[in-house]
Amino acid sequence: DQQVKQNSPSLSVQEGRISILNCDYTNSMFDYFLWYKKYPAEGPTFLISISSIKDKNEDGRFTVFLNKSAKHLSLHIVPSQPGDSAVYFCAASPTSGTYKYIFGTGTRLKVLA
Amino acid sequence: EPEVTQTPSHQVTQMGQEVILRCVPISNHLYFYWYRQILGQKVEFLVSFYNNEISEKSEIFDDQFSVERPDGSNFTLKIRSTKLEDSAMYFCASSTQGFEKLFFGSGTQLSVL
Repeated sequence: DQQVKQNSPSLSVQEGRISILNCDYTNSMFDYFLWYKKYPAEGPTFLISISSIKDKNEDGRFTVFLNKSAKHLSLHIVPSQPGDSAVYFCAASPTSGTYKYIFGTGTRLKVLA
Repeated sequence: EPEVTQTPSHQVTQMGQEVILRCVPISNHLYFYWYRQILGQKVEFLVSFYNNEISEKSEIFDDQFSVERPDGSNFTLKIRSTKLEDSAMYFCASSTQGFEKLFFGSGTQLSVL
């Protein structure tokens, strides 16, 4: 069951540059998407969300883009900071009929100082 | 800032033993969840709970699993007879609405020997 895919298991970026993390989904019923950040030995922490009525949502250094026709979303972090080094998960769900989020496998981001 | 707390942080048990994982969700939240992450794999939904009953469960959540909200603050996950493949990090989460960002606890690492 690979309804949500993060095809890059890891990513390294220089401090100050842009980090782009990608996520693809297959279920056309998904209309609400979230990004979570996870540090070792901690639970996932909510970063940013987007619903399918939008194609972009921005919060400070974090921007999520949604391309519904391609079933693709991406998280941009600008500028990247060493403290952003973590595993990033995208998650998706329909907004009705279920309270269950489907998570991707995560991308480990390393921001190099 | 309010947070979801989970105890214990680590639990080691013998195969076939019962374990109870405990969680204290954020006090004004109404929806409660258990997710788990087997090492190196994605975060998987187990069960959601609202109004003192299970609202949804995954195929992982079989008869060996149960959840309970025994008082106004605790939310527990019981595994009646643990198997080796139950070894995972178990995350409790809560939310104010059924469809909203989840707040996760820092997890209980369960090791079944």
